[in-house]
Amino acid sequence: QKEVEQDPGPLSVPEGAIVSLNCTYSNSAFQYFMWYRQYSRKGPELLMYTYSSGNKEDGRFTAQVDKSSKYISLFIRDSQPSDSATYLCAMKGDDKIIFGKGTRLHILP
Amino acid sequence: EPEVTQTPSHQVTQMGQEVILRCVPISNHLYFYWYRQILGQKVEFLVSFYNNEISEKSEIFDDQFSVERPDGSNFTLKIRSTKLEDSAMYFCASSWWENTEAFFGQGTRLTVV
Repeated sequence: QKEVEQDPGPLSVPEGAIVSLNCTYSNSAFQYFMWYRQYSRKGPELLMYTYSSGNKEDGRFTAQVDKSSKYISLFIRDSQPSDSATYLCAMKGDDKIIFGKGTRLHILP
Repeated sequence: EPEVTQTPSHQVTQMGQEVILRCVPISNHLYFYWYRQILGQKVEFLVSFYNNEISEKSEIFDDQFSVERPDGSNFTLKIRSTKLEDSAMYFCASSWWENTEAFFGQGTRLTVV
């Protein structure tokens, strides 16, 4: 079983829709969870960082962590065409960050 | 806003040559990382560095790779004898502490010919 599983997509949704992105993980050592956005041939840009189960909101973004199920989510409200990118979940433990494969998201105008 | 900077943005090298990729982490950060991303694949961990020594490394980070913090601001990744399969984007990242968020640079695209 891979440490971090993430559906690569692509995921296409109409502008204004709520987007839901998810990852599962197997390693209980992961204690810190991040979501990054990556545009083509650019570096990952940090969107959200959390370390406890529950929800964390920042503007149009909400990160959700369920440690008991080893499941994390990112919700994007009022999605915009500029949100079109690859979204990477990432988990930190033991001095390293492990990334999911990334989900390619297309917001259709 | 502080950011991680990487140079060069693109490097082309011949197979067997040595390359050094350079990074300037965010100034008060203490943990440093190198990652790579082969085109179309996931971002892969190479090495983490703290207090002037490697704290964790992956199977990818073999004897061909080395890291160094030669002064108070730079963090470098050296590949001694490049192979075609080393062609990838290389990302540097830094965090203030081991359990705080990590910020990434824009990457160096390495092309080995």
